[in-house]
Amino acid sequence: DTGVSQDPRHKITKRGQNVTFRCDPISEHNRLYWYRQTLGQGPEFLTYFQNEAQLEKSRLLSDRFSAERPKGSFSTLEIQRTEQGDSAMYLCASSVSGGLTYEQYFGPGTRLTVT
Amino acid sequence: QKEVEQNSGPLSVPEGAIASLNCTYSDRVSQSFFWYRQYSGKSPELIMSIYSNGDKEDGRFTAQLNKASQYVSLLIRDSQPSDSATYLCAVNMAAGANSKLTFGKGITLSVRP
Repeated sequence: DTGVSQDPRHKITKRGQNVTFRCDPISEHNRLYWYRQTLGQGPEFLTYFQNEAQLEKSRLLSDRFSAERPKGSFSTLEIQRTEQGDSAMYLCASSVSGGLTYEQYFGPGTRLTVT
Repeated sequence: QKEVEQNSGPLSVPEGAIASLNCTYSDRVSQSFFWYRQYSGKSPELIMSIYSNGDKEDGRFTAQLNKASQYVSLLIRDSQPSDSATYLCAVNMAAGANSKLTFGKGITLSVRP
């Protein structure tokens, strides 16, 4: 049973560039979540999907951020016109829905540095 | 704003001692509660989940939940240097019990050999 995978693990980009991250959830998990974590803080929710439907998006999420999960399997998170404040660890997690437990398992994360 | 609060750290205990980590949450409808361990530079790793009032034990870890007091805690018995990490309390603040998690800031535990 492979865990959640994310790609790339590290990304350095210049301010104003667009970046895209990929997340592959645990194979039988139909829910997929994106979080962002900055130094000294807990992860902060960005958005989540059940299958291909995006069910919730954080009000704090700028319109420069967009996420997709077109076939209900992997997901991508795109940040357009990056800013230095976007520098953070971007975490993906997955879970099953409709079961008796609601545990979310995290991938290794993508560390973004905007210069 | 719905919040999860963890008491300020860092926490330092000697090897073999019991480490007690505490967490309070603001939303009474919360139904599922989790503790994650995060080593420096790594992603959070789920170590405990708890859904009902009372205690839940798994090896050296015990999670305690008191919904009336809106309080969840994690006890680590026989602490080892390898337990040194940041511990994150996470709460699902939704009546449906299965959606986004709200995290505390975490508390850093240091276990002294």
